[in-house]
Amino acid sequence: AQSVTQLGSHVSVSEGALVLLRCNYSSSVPPYLFWYVQYPNQGLQLLLKYTTGATLVKGINGFEAEFKKSETSFHLTKPSAHMSDAAEYFCAVSERGLTGGGNKLTFGTGTQLKVEL
Amino acid sequence: KAGVTQTPRYLIKTRGQQVTLSCSPISGHRSVSWYQQTPGQGLQFLFEYFSETQRNKGNFPGRFSGRQFSNSRSEMNVSTLELGDSALYLCASSLEQTYNEQFFGPGTRLTVL
Repeated sequence: AQSVTQLGSHVSVSEGALVLLRCNYSSSVPPYLFWYVQYPNQGLQLLLKYTTGATLVKGINGFEAEFKKSETSFHLTKPSAHMSDAAEYFCAVSERGLTGGGNKLTFGTGTQLKVEL
Repeated sequence: KAGVTQTPRYLIKTRGQQVTLSCSPISGHRSVSWYQQTPGQGLQFLFEYFSETQRNKGNFPGRFSGRQFSNSRSEMNVSTLELGDSALYLCASSLEQTYNEQFFGPGTRLTVL
């Protein structure tokens, strides 16, 4: 069974500072990896995803993440935080090789990002 | 292109009742997945439908069921509601392959009294 661990349920940064949100996964095979963001009273929006190929993935709003197989990690970073980045962030894995194919995301518990002036 | 729509957005029910939630996927998407989001359990996968067939299922009791219609619209039903069923129910649609992005709707907030 797959699992996702997000270290730090709350992260606070100053505007303009580096954002680093941590995600580690457990999977018997390399999974597909995703980062989603959720703003209050809204659904989830995809920031970026890793499937195959280049391990450094660039997403929307200046976010990027690096897949490190040896560390089973997929940490999310942004060089300079903006007030509008305040939201909850979820790391997720999608299992490969499901019988019959298909989609089944396993989410981490989320990290609430606070951006202070 | 219109996004994923869910109706209703808010719902209040009492214990023992049943409820049906609706999801309209993005045009052309044939996969619809449902997730439950609660403060205590986080985001949990309920089930996925593809071409009117349930393709994957999470670990939820049989009170939770769903279906998909020929136009890919999906409904989920919860029977004999319990207080613990209070949650945000999110629907997501995607193209066929596992690595495709799932596009989420705004969710239905269900409160069970």
